[in-house]
Amino acid sequence: EVQLVQSEAEVKKPGESLRISCKGSGYKFTSYWIGWVRQMPGKGLEWMGIIFPGDSDTRYSPSFQGQVTISVDTSINTAYLQWSSLKASDTALYYCARRAKVPGGHLYYMDVWGIGTTVTVSS
Amino acid sequence: QSALTQPASVSASPGQSITISCTGTSSDVGDYNYVSWYQQHPDKASELLIFDVNKRPSGVSNRFSGSKSGNTASLTISGLRTEDEAFYICCSYAGSSTWVFGGGTKLTVL
Repeated sequence: EVQLVQSEAEVKKPGESLRISCKGSGYKFTSYWIGWVRQMPGKGLEWMGIIFPGDSDTRYSPSFQGQVTISVDTSINTAYLQWSSLKASDTALYYCARRAKVPGGHLYYMDVWGIGTTVTVSS
Repeated sequence: QSALTQPASVSASPGQSITISCTGTSSDVGDYNYVSWYQQHPDKASELLIFDVNKRPSGVSNRFSGSKSGNTASLTISGLRTEDEAFYICCSYAGSSTWVFGGGTKLTVL
């Protein structure tokens, strides 16, 4: 079964660092882009960025460039979303999602989603 | 405010049909035939219902259908069932490896 398993909820203080994870299984991890999506409390989904594990090519949404770091560790089929200094406004639910592909190329939708990681930043 | 506009909620009775709209701009929905729809149940992973405006993945009921006209996409669910009660989210490719989403619509099956 193809799935993305995300790390558990986190509670942090402003200024702390954090890395959350998204582990892929049931497919060739290095062949599919993995995207990250934010959902702030009571709000809709926001696209953050996407990474191709095969070569770590990473594309950030302009709104999130410089605010977060997306990375992968292909040895353990895991993608990461990282903050160096959290703010209260980073409190949100974060999803990872796999970009669909066919043998001929990558498609323009996400076909598999994780259940999300809740990040709470509060003093 | 979300990039794509969806009604916050819709309700109907079992057996009826509903349509959820998703309005974007000429830079996303209007520019690409890459609208997708997802169903979200609490504490479960989102499920892909529709991709490329009107295509259904294998295993998704043909009660779900999608369409698009100009900057507005739509999801229609026919023959409503109680298990269809969920949150529905639209998404559009917006170019340059970015995607935009709707705020989501809560469907209540009365």
